[in-house]
Amino acid sequence: AQRVTQPEKLLSVFKGAPVELKCNYSYSGSPELFWYVQYSRQRLQLLLRHISRESIKGFTADLNKGETSFHLKKPFAQEEDSAMYYCALSGMDSSYKLIFGSGTRLLVRP
Amino acid sequence: NAGVTQTPKFQVLKTGQSMTLQCAQDMNHNSMYWYRQDPGMGLRLIYYSASEGTTDKGEVPNGYNVSRLNKREFSLRLESAAPSQTSVYFCASSMTSGSVNEQFFGPGTRLTVL
Repeated sequence: AQRVTQPEKLLSVFKGAPVELKCNYSYSGSPELFWYVQYSRQRLQLLLRHISRESIKGFTADLNKGETSFHLKKPFAQEEDSAMYYCALSGMDSSYKLIFGSGTRLLVRP
Repeated sequence: NAGVTQTPKFQVLKTGQSMTLQCAQDMNHNSMYWYRQDPGMGLRLIYYSASEGTTDKGEVPNGYNVSRLNKREFSLRLESAAPSQTSVYFCASSMTSGSVNEQFFGPGTRLTVL
């Protein structure tokens, strides 16, 4: 079965501390993995995708096929990073539909 | 460009009432999606339309129907609302061509069923 697991509902860190939001997936094949972010009173938006292998707002995520993980990392958290983060998976069929994890709320304290 | 728009923003229904949530996109996207967002459960796909003229069930389709009216518009209908359908509903669209697979989301509709 296709599944995305985000084990932490809430992650609270102090400004300047490193952040790692965990994501594990279950999929028989080669999925495409994404991180979406929802800031307060804003729309859900794409943060980054594994095929781009880029850093957005200081965040990076590496796809580990052996551990079936796609953890999101940032070395130094900022208060403006506080938001809801969703890991999502897309299979390689023609529908391009996404399967989302339950989300992790990141709270960065001053 | 307005992107993805949804109406209404808020709605309160009584059990058994019906309503249609409207969604439109102006990005010439092929695919459109309806999700519901519930606390602790993330976003769950209700229905999707991979292309104009097609619709398919997602993870939680029971109690809902959809219509892909044209390439721009994708509506979600609740025929007989139930309290379990209290949720925030998001519409999304994507191009689905080549390697691009970014979904763009609307602002959401907050629905309460009493």
